[in-house]
This record gives sequence, C-alpha cells and structure tokens, in this order.
Amino acid sequence: SQQGEEDPQALSIQEGENATMNCSYKTSINNLQWYRQNSGRGLVHLILIRSNEREKHSGRLRVTLDTSKKSSSLLITASRAADTASYFCATDAGGNEKLTFGTGTRLTIIP
Amino acid sequence: EPEVTQTPSHQVTQMGQEVILRCVPISNHLYFYWYRQILGQKVEFLVSFYNNEISEKSEIFDDQFSVERPDGSNFTLKIRSTKLEDSAMYFCASSVLSGRRGYTFGSGTRLTVV
Repeated sequence: SQQGEEDPQALSIQEGENATMNCSYKTSINNLQWYRQNSGRGLVHLILIRSNEREKHSGRLRVTLDTSKKSSSLLITASRAADTASYFCATDAGGNEKLTFGTGTRLTIIP
Repeated sequence: EPEVTQTPSHQVTQMGQEVILRCVPISNHLYFYWYRQILGQKVEFLVSFYNNEISEKSEIFDDQFSVERPDGSNFTLKIRSTKLEDSAMYFCASSVLSGRRGYTFGSGTRLTVV
C-alpha cells in the first residue's frame, strides 16, 4: 500500500453511531495528523499525534497510533450530520516539512 | 477565528497562459505552503516557504512554478505556462511553527486549464 492509505474508502452510518476510519503508512514517521474536508472546501486540521504517543482525544474524536503496525485510527463518537465529510490522514517524516496525505475516507452520516 | 484567504475561488485559463494564485496567510504565521489536489486524487505537497525562501519543494514543483511573498502579507503561486494536467484544486496553508505541528488551510482555488 502507499504511504497514507485510509480505509474504508467510503462509510455510511446512522446519526448517533460511532465512525471508525483507519490509515496505514509505509515509512517511519514523526507525526500523524487527521484532516477533514467538506465537499469543495479546504482542509480542516482535526488532531495531531506524535510518533511516541499511542492515543489522543479531542472532544468526540479519538485517535490511536500503532507504530509497530504503521497504522492509525480515527474514531468519531456520537456522529452528527455535520460530520459528513472526507477525512484524510497525513504524515511527516525525517526532517521534511511536507505532509504526505492519504487517499481519504468519505464519511456520510444518515440523519 | 483567523483564516487563510485564497483568491480567486475558481479560475479558468487557456493552456499556455500564466496564472497567479493568491493567498493571504494568517498574519502571525511564519511558514507557508502550497498543496494541490487533482480531482479524485490525493492532496500533494508542492512547496514550503520560510524566511523569504523556499525551504522544500516536490518534484511536481518544476521550473514552471514559482512562489513569492511580495509585500509581507500575500503569498502567491505562479504557473508560467499552464498545461491541461495543471487543472486541480490548489490549497495554500500557513502555520506558526513548522507545519509538522498542523496547518491552517485556505479553502482553495480551483484551476481549470482548457
């Protein structure tokens, strides 16, 4: 798989349910970030987790990082219609500034 | 909440023409970036800019591309001679510290080359 691949590619759930998205990457990283993108809009930074962290919370968001498996998950609890968007993971590695983005998960919350 | 502003939101240009995409980063941010997203594909890094010079660029950012911070507030991306494959959404981003800590993205400029 390529650096930063999310699965599933698309996810539809009922409002109020929890949504889990996964991201896998190939090389060692410094940080992993999750971004949200509403259709036709810019990217909104959600949360950053460092390579020495295993779990992080922010409101209804929970991110885990497993560096041994080179994977991360984003959990959105008690989903709302406004959570409908595409979600991307992005990693940085080495001394590089650039972020490498994944392919994204398209999340649809059904009211 | 402070925003990164990009103009125009949509630009259509003829192949071979020059285009300038404009961005106003958040005023106290020090690091500036351009990314692009071809329709249906990943967001790709183009260039990072710090202390009035390019700090990193990707292989996409060839001689046809240039960036400038002409007046201390605007941050521009110029494509000298556009190609059909330059059609994409271009995102500007800025950050206070290194972007590895998280960026603020603009809402993008959709460039269509015809």
